[in-house]
Amino acid sequence: ETGVTQSPTHLIKTRGQQVTLRCSSQSGHNTVSWYQQALGQGPQFIFQYYREEENGRGNFPPRFSGLQFPNYSSELNVNALELDDSALYLCASSLGSEAFFGQGTRLTVV
Amino acid sequence: GNSVTQMEGPVTLSEEAFLTINCTYTATGYPSLFWYVQYPGEGLQLLLKATKADDKGSNKGFEATYRKETTSFHLEKGSVQVSDSAVYFCALRGDNTDKLIFGTGTRLQVFP
Repeated sequence: ETGVTQSPTHLIKTRGQQVTLRCSSQSGHNTVSWYQQALGQGPQFIFQYYREEENGRGNFPPRFSGLQFPNYSSELNVNALELDDSALYLCASSLGSEAFFGQGTRLTVV
Repeated sequence: GNSVTQMEGPVTLSEEAFLTINCTYTATGYPSLFWYVQYPGEGLQLLLKATKADDKGSNKGFEATYRKETTSFHLEKGSVQVSDSAVYFCALRGDNTDKLIFGTGTRLQVFP
């Protein structure tokens, strides 16, 4: 139990639709990162938020966007969904050197 | 850029066998190194870490030593259990960043 919760746990969307994934950080953690884990692969860094500002971005197109709220919870938004967006999306919160991961949201795009 | 390479799986062992999962990295500066474990249907759990050369991380019988001279961070366990069956990810975090770079994962299957 890491104290990081994500919702929903599973989601099915149609190509072209938009999706919002949510993450509740561990109490007091002011940094949240999002990762995409395709089947059989390691997680890939999407972006990070620190105190409500984007603080680093991986090699993902602008249709991947995010928000961090004053309570440090976070959202990942993906527009114009593509079939290749099907993956496990992981949120990690941190305060200092260690990142704590949620259980992820399994997104399937059909 | 920074990267992590780990041995492909699956690794199949009998209970009580010795485990080694190889991990090597490429990085500038002084990265921190991690092993994460992912059980079926779950997110990632930090297994152990090492933040500087020659540090040994250990947890639940697993160990890994940060070897800067060979740029390696191999995971070992002396006697595996069926409950250790999972996917293991080696990862690094570079200087001045919280971004983690992961290897592709190694699936471990332990049979009674």
